[in-house]
Amino acid sequence: EMQLVQSGAEVKKPGESLKISCKGSGHGFSSYWIAWVRQTPGKGLEWMGLIYPGDFETRYSPSFQGQVTISADKTISTAYLQWSSLRASDTAMYYCARRATYSASYFDLWGQGILVTVSS
Amino acid sequence: EIVLTQSPGTLSLSPGERATLSCRASQSVSSNSLAWYQQKPGQAPSLLIYGASSRATGIPDRFSGSGSGTDFTLTISRLEAEDFVVYYCQQYGGSSFTFGPGTKVEVK
Repeated sequence: EMQLVQSGAEVKKPGESLKISCKGSGHGFSSYWIAWVRQTPGKGLEWMGLIYPGDFETRYSPSFQGQVTISADKTISTAYLQWSSLRASDTAMYYCARRATYSASYFDLWGQGILVTVSS
Repeated sequence: EIVLTQSPGTLSLSPGERATLSCRASQSVSSNSLAWYQQKPGQAPSLLIYGASSRATGIPDRFSGSGSGTDFTLTISRLEAEDFVVYYCQQYGGSSFTFGPGTKVEVK
């Protein structure tokens, strides 16, 4: 059965770039949409966007369009979330999650999360 | 964007009691598109209920979901010690996913 394993915690300064990852183990990674979800104490859980590694189709939440880039490398079953210039407000826990089926409305498998801290 | 409101924010109950958690949407949500998650401290959310009333794999039958339109409910029939955590509802509509703010179930 697939698992989603995320990269480790990050501490960055404002203005720096960052790329975090979510690696799928097991079969079928390319056949599932992989989403990114942000969690903060103030705004709770927020869906950022998702990618279908099979054809790289990507969809963004309007709130995050232009703020982050979601990508994937299906040869190594890994999805990515990246920033070109971090802000303090990007400090949060970031989860990747698998959309249960191609058109499902929910996420049935989650990574363990990555804590990103942006501070000068 | 559909906004989800959860109530109460905190629910104080004792083990063995029944918990009723509410999720209200700002506009009608397809029943196929409403899910509930449980989040334990230090862990990622995990799927409890999908399609408003279907339990995810391995979820005990003390958890049940119901509702339609704009009003949905998660019921825990008899609270066990591990159930005193945070619960989120989530909807999908208009190619967008949104989550509610969560309900924390705490020991009274």
